[in-house]
Amino acid sequence: QVHLQESGPGLVKPSETLSLTCTVSGGSINNYYWSWIRQPPGRGLEWIGYIYYRGSINYSPSLQGRVTISVDTSKNQFFLKLNSVTAADTAVYYCARNSRGNSSVWFDPWGQGTLVTVSS
Amino acid sequence: DIQMTQSPSSLSASVGDRVTITCRASQSMSTYLNWYQHKSGRAPKLLIYGASSLQNGVPSRFSGSGSGTDFTLTISSLQPEDFATYYCHQSYSTPYTFGQGTKLEIK
Repeated sequence: QVHLQESGPGLVKPSETLSLTCTVSGGSINNYYWSWIRQPPGRGLEWIGYIYYRGSINYSPSLQGRVTISVDTSKNQFFLKLNSVTAADTAVYYCARNSRGNSSVWFDPWGQGTLVTVSS
Repeated sequence: DIQMTQSPSSLSASVGDRVTITCRASQSMSTYLNWYQHKSGRAPKLLIYGASSLQNGVPSRFSGSGSGTDFTLTISSLQPEDFATYYCHQSYSTPYTFGQGTKLEIK
């Protein structure tokens, strides 16, 4: 059973870079797309972007220019970097696997999420 | 971007009740609609994909329907473990977007 686990600093200073790692265990990162999703406190879910294991990417326009998603297949990990952060970037950050069928694309499984607070 | 309008935003119900949550898309999107259950502090859980396909291991009391712009999630007989927040999610086009969520609470 595939398991995802987010890791990284829980506190980032304003204007600095948020960096998170998602480690995939119980299965290979190959042949799938992988997404980052976040949820600010008291708000809904926001898709950040996805990466294919071969490196093709797609970012949300709302974060384009500040976000970088990358992958290391040798470590079965993918990464999120968000620069120039502000308090508005405070959120629980989730990683998830994209699965595709004839009728849809869905996220399953998800990691448990990690809270990142932007504060000085 | 495709906007997803989910209703109601909150709902009080009792164990055994039948509950329906709706999601309306700002444009037609075939069946590229998924439903998730989220409990605080835990990973969101996929319930329904492709508007009506039940994810493996999800109880059959959960069902989904719809296509185009209007979708529903139905729980036929609420169980205590079903009290959570539910989100719809469109994957027809990027940026992928979610409904605002429905918080299902015990009456």
